[in-house]
Amino acid sequence: DIQMTQSPSSLSASVGDRVTITCRASQSISSYLNWYQEKPGKAPKLLIYAASSSVGGVPSRFSGGGSGTVFTLTISTLQPEDVATYYCQQSYSIPYTFGQGTKLEIK
Amino acid sequence: EVQLLESGGGLVQPGGSLRLSCAASGFSFSSYAMSWVRQAPGKGLEWVSGISDSRGTTDYANSVRGRFIISRDISKNTLYLQMNSLRAEDTAVYYCSGTFHIWGQGIMVSVSS
Repeated sequence: DIQMTQSPSSLSASVGDRVTITCRASQSISSYLNWYQEKPGKAPKLLIYAASSSVGGVPSRFSGGGSGTVFTLTISTLQPEDVATYYCQQSYSIPYTFGQGTKLEIK
Repeated sequence: EVQLLESGGGLVQPGGSLRLSCAASGFSFSSYAMSWVRQAPGKGLEWVSGISDSRGTTDYANSVRGRFIISRDISKNTLYLQMNSLRAEDTAVYYCSGTFHIWGQGIMVSVSS
C-alpha cells in the first residue's frame, strides 16, 4: 500500500497568513493526488484534484502543487472559515490511502 | 440538485451484519465510479471499497476484504455495502462518494455488544 504522510499534523496561524501543508507519498503517484477539507460533523469536501486542479466553487485562495512524491496545499490568505482538518489522498492505486490529516486553527 | 443519501446504519453486535444503501440523484449515477469511505470516531479517513462505472469492477481495503461486498443497482440509482462479520473496529461514520467529488452526509455504524 502507498503511505501518505502529511506535515505538520497541526498548525496555528493568523488571519491573513499564507499557509502551506505538505503531503508525501511513499512512492511516485504522478499527479493522482486529491486534497479535502473536513469540518466537524460534515462530510469531506474535495478542494483540489489531480494535484493542482481546483474544484468549481472553491475559493481561489486554495491552490495545490507538486507531482511524483511531494505535494502541497497552499492557502494564500487565511480566513476564519478555513478552520478545518485537511487531508490528502492518493488515487493512483488501490487502496486509495489518505494522509493522517492536518488540523488548522486560527491564532 | 446533486445528492447522495446514505441509510441503513445503526447498532449491531459483533459478528452481525448490516447493509448500507446510498441513493443517488441529480447526476448520471451509472457513469460514476463509486466508493465507500469511513471515519472511526476521532480518527482519519479510510477508503473501504469502490466499484467502477461501466464494468462494475470491485475493490476492497485489506481490512474488509472477504467480509464486505459493494454493489450497485443502476435501475434504482443506489449503491450498497453489505457488511458481514462485523467487528468493533468497523465502528465508524460511513460515507458514500462519487469519484470523490460528490459525498453523502454519512451514516453511523456502531458495532458493540
